[in-house]
Amino acid sequence: EVQLLESGGGLVQPGGSLRLSCAVSGFTFGTYAMTWVRQAPGKGLEWVSGISGSGGSTYYADSVKGRFTISRDNSKNTLYLQMNSLRAEDTAVYYCARYRGLYSRGWFMDYWGQGTLVTVSS
Amino acid sequence: QSVLTQPPSVSGAPGQRVTLSCTGSSSNIGATYDVHWYQKLPGTAPKLLIYGNTNRPSGVPDRFSGSKSGTSASLAITGLQAEDEADYYCQSYDSSLSGWVFGGGTKLTVL
Repeated sequence: EVQLLESGGGLVQPGGSLRLSCAVSGFTFGTYAMTWVRQAPGKGLEWVSGISGSGGSTYYADSVKGRFTISRDNSKNTLYLQMNSLRAEDTAVYYCARYRGLYSRGWFMDYWGQGTLVTVSS
Repeated sequence: QSVLTQPPSVSGAPGQRVTLSCTGSSSNIGATYDVHWYQKLPGTAPKLLIYGNTNRPSGVPDRFSGSKSGTSASLAITGLQAEDEADYYCQSYDSSLSGWVFGGGTKLTVL
């Protein structure tokens, strides 16, 4: 059974940092690209960042580029999102998800974690 | 403002058929990138409903179907049930943004 479990969310002050983790099981982690998607309170889904199976390619939304860093440790079956210079508008539930598809531009998310809440406030 | 436009709300009576639209442009849906659909209930993770424009993952009822034409895509739900009341999101890739994008979401209300 495929499982994704996020952790690391919490309350942080503006300008602060936080690292999210996503522990996965039930599939060969290193053969799948992965992604982070967030949902701010009362808002829709927003794609945040993605990473290839090997970790050699990374992708970022303009809203987080230069502040967030996605990475993975295939030996630990874990995906990460390092979030720096956090802003109030980064407040959201952050979901990790598995990418699937034949080519990157056709990727979709077939399995999702339950999410972890990040609140940026003083 | 999302690059994929969805109506904020749609409603229908039990048993009816509803169609949810997703309108894009030449840099996403019109560029022949696939469209995918997700169902989201409050407090739960999104669930994949349709992938590759028309394909249903195993376990998704055949009451749900997807289509795509030009710069738009649609999700049709037939035999509407109370449990279908949820938010629905379309997703594709945008070459101008060099990233994956979601529509703003449509809230489906079952009357």
